[in-house]
Amino acid sequence: GAGVSQSPRYKVAKRGQDVALRCDPISGHVSLFWYQQALGQGPEFLTYFQNEAQLDKSGLPSDRFFAERPEGSVSTLKIQRTQQEDSAVYLCASSQSGGLETQYFGPGTRLLVL
Amino acid sequence: EDQVTQSPEALRLQEGESSSLNCSYTVSGLRGLFWYRQDPGKGPEFLFTLYSAGEEKEKERLKATLTKKESFLHITAPKPEDSATYLCAVQAWYNQGGKLIFGQGTELSVKP
Repeated sequence: GAGVSQSPRYKVAKRGQDVALRCDPISGHVSLFWYQQALGQGPEFLTYFQNEAQLDKSGLPSDRFFAERPEGSVSTLKIQRTQQEDSAVYLCASSQSGGLETQYFGPGTRLLVL
Repeated sequence: EDQVTQSPEALRLQEGESSSLNCSYTVSGLRGLFWYRQDPGKGPEFLFTLYSAGEEKEKERLKATLTKKESFLHITAPKPEDSATYLCAVQAWYNQGGKLIFGQGTELSVKP
């Protein structure tokens, strides 16, 4: 079946603009994760959903970052008033039920803030 | 603080030259250790999960092992198509949701 998809694949924003990044998880996957990957680094956890409930948002770097998953499927990561330090690849992953289940990653959205 | 450190940062091998990648970890109660492969411009691709010290898993030319402090990814007779960044990640028991803590990765280049 289809894997995790993300859109857009690339996004260029001017400093101060708001952006919205979309994630379509594997159908039927209960858990959804967002990670941020800086150039040359490993992914860093941002937030986690189980169905529509956001159970862990400890990795969100500031209150400018907001994520939602209103119907327990598609998720959107929103960044308000973007700053240059927000430039990174944003990865979405889903798993069947969380915990030790394998997380399957999407291709990522590369965000460049000018 | 939970932490994952991978070494070396970069590794260049000739085709057929076997080697190992290291992943050292500090975590409050290891629930699982994961290896992923990441190609340029793509998301990480799952390779292995290891759960307890002494466990080993194999897939083609790759073999992953686990001790109480580190994991190794052994690559036997690598081919150019094995060139990628290899990421190690741990999951702690207190993170019931499944949050992964990643190392910075090892960039492997295999020359023909």
